[in-house]
Amino acid sequence: QKEVEQDPGPLSVPEGAIVSLNCTYSNSAFQYFMWYRQYSRKGPELLMYTYSSGNKEDGRFTAQVDKSSKYISLFIRDSQPSDSATYLCAMSAGAAGNKLTFGGGTRVLVKP
Amino acid sequence: ETGVTQSPTHLIKTRGQQVTLRCSSQSGHNTVSWYQQALGQGPQFIFQYYREEENGRGNFPPRFSGLQFPNYSSELNVNALELDDSALYLCASSPRGGMVTKNIQYFGAGTRLSVL
Repeated sequence: QKEVEQDPGPLSVPEGAIVSLNCTYSNSAFQYFMWYRQYSRKGPELLMYTYSSGNKEDGRFTAQVDKSSKYISLFIRDSQPSDSATYLCAMSAGAAGNKLTFGGGTRVLVKP
Repeated sequence: ETGVTQSPTHLIKTRGQQVTLRCSSQSGHNTVSWYQQALGQGPQFIFQYYREEENGRGNFPPRFSGLQFPNYSSELNVNALELDDSALYLCASSPRGGMVTKNIQYFGAGTRLSVL
């Protein structure tokens, strides 16, 4: 079993809809949680960053972390065709090395 | 402020050869991490460098090695290339700061390595 699980999709939504993405994890030591967006053949771009449990909002993006359930979510409001990409969740325990452990990514397609 | 830059963008090698990939970290960042991303998968941590020393390593064999230079740029070297080494290699840098700040990693565009 992988440390971080993420539905690969594809997730297809109409323009303007809310995109809901999530990841589950097994390592209770994780306390730093990130969401990245990756366009085809490009590097991951940091969207949201959360420390410990709680919610964080930035523009159209909302990230939620529930450490008791080992579950994190990303919501994208008013989705646009330009949001079509692969979304990666990543997390870190913050120990020496600060390595990020990624989910496999969810491919999202926003249709005009 | 320039972001993380990697070179080359694309590389083709044959099995058994050696390759060196390069990364310039973002201004003000002193930690560099390397990841391997196979097609359709999430990135896998290779290792991290801080103050020119290896500061954590993932489950990769010793033929994957690296360096960090005084200007915080870095190299990833892979010896005895295998077909399975074909992947996108990503470099990420982290800023100086407190525990929260230095856990943020910013990625470059990657080097796509094809091993034939």
